[in-house]
Amino acid sequence: QLQLQESGPGLVKPSETLSLTCNVSGGSISSGSYYWGWIRQPPGKGLEWIGSMYYSGSTNYNPSLKSRVTISVDTSKNQFSLKLSSVTAADTAVYYCARQLSGYYPLSDQWGQGTLVTVSS
Amino acid sequence: EIVMTQSPGTLSVSPGERATLSCRASQSVSRNLAWYQQKPGQAPRLLISGASTRATGVPARFSGSGSGTDFTLTISSLQSEDFAVYYCHQYNDWPPLTFGGGTKVEIK
Repeated sequence: QLQLQESGPGLVKPSETLSLTCNVSGGSISSGSYYWGWIRQPPGKGLEWIGSMYYSGSTNYNPSLKSRVTISVDTSKNQFSLKLSSVTAADTAVYYCARQLSGYYPLSDQWGQGTLVTVSS
Repeated sequence: EIVMTQSPGTLSVSPGERATLSCRASQSVSRNLAWYQQKPGQAPRLLISGASTRATGVPARFSGSGSGTDFTLTISSLQSEDFAVYYCHQYNDWPPLTFGGGTKVEIK
């Protein structure tokens, strides 16, 4: 059974770079059937898609975050990563990694448990 | 960007009653619409995809309908474990993928 697990610092200082990793187990990240994405949720608020990538390295990002986001994959470790630069308090959120069906319609069907990242000095 | 609007924001329902949640898209998303359930401290759980197809293990009391811009999630007889926040999500036109603001279903 597929499992996704986020990891990374729970506290990041303003203006620094947030870095998270999603470890995938129970399935190969190199499967051509899926995208691998990041979605976040500020405390008490709704869901915001950050971006997604294919195992080959092609990416799609939310235009609202595109200038600050990098998603990358390490197929040898079966994991993918998120970097968000120049963070502010508005980036405080639970960050989820998710599997998305590839093709034209990327349904998010499996999610990690999420990890809270707080931006504060 | 397709904006997803959910109504109502909060729905107060008694156990055993029917709950009807609405989701409207700012432009057509065909049937590429999903519903998720989220309980406190948990990740969203996929309930419905393709507007009306239940995910594996989802009870039959959950049903989805609609196409184009107007969608409905119906819970036919609310159980205690169904009190949660529900989000609709369009995956028809991206980037960006977008979600509705959520409907909280609470005990009346």
